[in-house]
Amino acid sequence: DTEVTQTPKHLVMGMTNKKSLKCEQHMGHRAMYWYKQKAKKPPELMFVYSYEKLSINESVPSRFSPECPNSSLLNLHLHALQPEDSALYLCASSPDRSTNQPQHFGDGTRLSIL
Amino acid sequence: GQNIDQPTEMTATEGAIVQINCTYQTSGFNGLFWYQQHAGEAPTFLSYNVLDGLEEKGRFSSFLSRSKGYSYLLLKELQMKDSASYLCAVLPYTDKLIFGTGTRLQVFP
Repeated sequence: DTEVTQTPKHLVMGMTNKKSLKCEQHMGHRAMYWYKQKAKKPPELMFVYSYEKLSINESVPSRFSPECPNSSLLNLHLHALQPEDSALYLCASSPDRSTNQPQHFGDGTRLSIL
Repeated sequence: GQNIDQPTEMTATEGAIVQINCTYQTSGFNGLFWYQQHAGEAPTFLSYNVLDGLEEKGRFSSFLSRSKGYSYLLLKELQMKDSASYLCAVLPYTDKLIFGTGTRLQVFP
């Protein structure tokens, strides 16, 4: 069990669908992250939010749209995805982006694009 | 650029000790982290080092030498459930964690 909760755990969608991934933490962390992980590869950073504001976008295609409604929630809106976007999407949080404290990960959403 | 190297695979026997090495060359250093990841699951934080030396947490210990760009994770009294991938990650600057490719450890009875 982790203190970062992600829903859904699995998602299958077509290339024309619109869906959202959700992430929630109640540890009072002010930095939240989205990562993408392909099989047998390490996680790759996509976005960083700090105090509900987007601070890093790692040149992610616009078909991925992050949103941070409040300090506990982080969403990733998906639209017109490609088959190569199939991966495990991980959310993480840390106390603050300006510290060297560890990031804690959720269990991830396994996304399959048909 | 950022470069983090780990062995791809290791094997060990239940009850034994295994050391997983990690070397890094990064543009900055704010900490080194070790994560465990079972297949299909999320990475779980194990240990981290900011200063040189050894950090011990139960059966797991992690060592850091910043001058050598080197760390290792030591796992003692190996159990079957320790079979997993072990990810070394460096924080060159704040918030942008860079992961190594991971070491897949198989523990045999």
